[in-house]
Amino acid sequence: DAGVTQSPTHLIKTRGQHVTLRCSPISGHKSVSWYQQVLGQGPQFIFQYYEKEERGRGNFPDRFSARQFPNYSSELNVNALLLGDSALYLCASSLAGNEQFFGPGTRLTVL
Amino acid sequence: AQKITQTQPGMFVQEKEAVTLDCTYDTSDQSYGLFWYKQPSSGEMIFLIYQGSYDEQNATEGRYSLNFQKARKSANLVISASQLGDSAMYFCAMRDPWSSASKIIFGSGTRLSIRP
Repeated sequence: DAGVTQSPTHLIKTRGQHVTLRCSPISGHKSVSWYQQVLGQGPQFIFQYYEKEERGRGNFPDRFSARQFPNYSSELNVNALLLGDSALYLCASSLAGNEQFFGPGTRLTVL
Repeated sequence: AQKITQTQPGMFVQEKEAVTLDCTYDTSDQSYGLFWYKQPSSGEMIFLIYQGSYDEQNATEGRYSLNFQKARKSANLVISASQLGDSAMYFCAMRDPWSSASKIIFGSGTRLSIRP
């Protein structure tokens, strides 16, 4: 079975631009969570979606938004990029929010 | 607030030796779950082991075991017979019991390097 997939693998943007990151969960998993991992730190929770509805949101500004589609895939959108948004963005899927399986991440660099 | 503390930024261990990675946590909740993840340089977070707060026995998964001391609020990871492939970042984590979401709180990690 395929694991969690994320695209793109790497991304370079400039300040002020917008970015969309994509995640496909493990087949059958209805929950998707997004995490931001800044270099040298542990991941920080951004969002969780379950059955296409937002279940929770971490301490991130409104520039960060997400959605989940009927096939349970998800997009994370970040507007007005700042240098501090440079990070590894991890997506995790789970059946109902218990054990979470992480994807390989998208490494975003903001110049 | 829930918090995970990992006090070892980096560790060097000789191949085939056992290694203990420290983790302490802070929570006022009685029911919680603790995790350990491994993150190789590729970036993917790999689940290693889980310990529930009501589990009477320490969790074990192959070469990984979790030394759970509830009174001390510690959940140390023990890797037996370390291998070169064990070199990676290791994160201790806890599910936030106060969040309506499946929010996992991570520590700052320990970088483990195995010497041949």
